[in-house]
Amino acid sequence: AQTVTQSQPEMSVQEAETVTLSCTYDTSESDYYLFWYKQPPSRQMILVIRQEAYKQQNATENRFSVNFQKAAKSFSLKISDSQLGDAAMYFCAYRANAGGTSYGKLTFGQGTILTVHP
Amino acid sequence: DAGVTQSPTHLIKTRGQQVTLRCSPKSGHDTVSWYQQALGQGPQFIFQYYEEEERQRGNFPDRFSGHQFPNYSSELNVNALLLGDSALYLCASSLLTGPRSRGYTFGSGTRLTVV
Repeated sequence: AQTVTQSQPEMSVQEAETVTLSCTYDTSESDYYLFWYKQPPSRQMILVIRQEAYKQQNATENRFSVNFQKAAKSFSLKISDSQLGDAAMYFCAYRANAGGTSYGKLTFGQGTILTVHP
Repeated sequence: DAGVTQSPTHLIKTRGQQVTLRCSPKSGHDTVSWYQQALGQGPQFIFQYYEEEERQRGNFPDRFSGHQFPNYSSELNVNALLLGDSALYLCASSLLTGPRSRGYTFGSGTRLTVV
């Protein structure tokens, strides 16, 4: 079974600084997707960034980037120029590739609470 | 373009009762998945519906059942409620196939409290 582990229950960062959230996963699959989701107090899960395992290049979305180490099964999220609005619970998630469809489950980590100090 | 709508937003039930939660997927989506999120934890997959059938199920007892209607909306039913069923229930919709099939849209959830 696939597992996702986030070893940092809480992290904090000063506004405008950079922070990195860690995630490791375990799978026997070779083709899969990895995600970072943000869950603010509004409770809605918002996709931050997605990485396809067969792509060597690390994904980036504006201030958000990942460090994907497939052999080490590590998938960290770097937030640059942190903003007050980045404060939320962040979840790392895994999904096996199902032939390009959305079939199948997301497996989530336990989450990391990010606090941003002004 | 409406996102995922879940109702009700909050619900209080008594142990042993039954509950029905509802989800309307994002316009254009045909697949609905349900997740249970205990306080301070990551969401756990309950099941996924496509073409009105349960396609995949997580490690949840038969007390948890669902339904998908022809308009793609979905219901989650929980029978014989236990205190441990208290959680946030999230619905996620997606398009099963096609170039936009990898994206999921989540609703804001239903907070269920069992007393």
